[in-house]
Amino acid sequence: DVKVTQSSRYLVKRTGEKVFLECVQDMDHENMFWYRQDPGLGLRLIYFSYDVKMKEKGDIPEGYSVSREKKERFSLILESASTNQTSMYLCASSLNERKFNQPQHFGDGTRLSIL
Amino acid sequence: KQEVTQIPAALSVPEGENLVLNCSFTDSAIYNLQWFRQDPGKGLTSLLLIQSSQREQTSGRLNASLDKSSGRSTLYIAASQPGDSATYLCAVPDTGNQFYFGTGTSLTVIP
Repeated sequence: DVKVTQSSRYLVKRTGEKVFLECVQDMDHENMFWYRQDPGLGLRLIYFSYDVKMKEKGDIPEGYSVSREKKERFSLILESASTNQTSMYLCASSLNERKFNQPQHFGDGTRLSIL
Repeated sequence: KQEVTQIPAALSVPEGENLVLNCSFTDSAIYNLQWFRQDPGKGLTSLLLIQSSQREQTSGRLNASLDKSSGRSTLYIAASQPGDSATYLCAVPDTGNQFYFGTGTSLTVIP
């Protein structure tokens, strides 16, 4: 079974802090994704990566950056956290380079609160 | 930009009923369509993925259909059980490497 692990289930940070959310997958998947989920808005794609050191912007990249130094790990960085970044963050991975014909597998999510 | 809609937003049925969840999308140029289940406070669990060349996929009591030309997919759940209570979401990747999700249907199966 695919295992996607997010480092924290709950996180509380202060406005202006630099925040790191970590995601690790154990199935050698090429593609990795970061989403945020908000009530009434559903899931929105922030960034994705289809290979080590490669990244592409999703729908809402503003205020975020990502890092993929190793194939199994994809980090989401909030450069200077703001209250409107309070949300549920979900990481996912899938097989296949640059093609999305394989199912995405999700972690359990990180509920981030910015005070 | 792809828009994905799921109707109804919430559904409540007695145990044992068969039910259908709907997903519609505006741009038929899709690779595939995926159905997920989400339990409260949890991540998403993949249920079924239908490739653009397929019409149906089945897994146990679940059957998903895809009609690309009309921009619709349905998820049929047979003989519903209380353990099926969850939010069900559909998602489509477009040819521009973006993923779009519906806002989901919250299903409650009453014992």
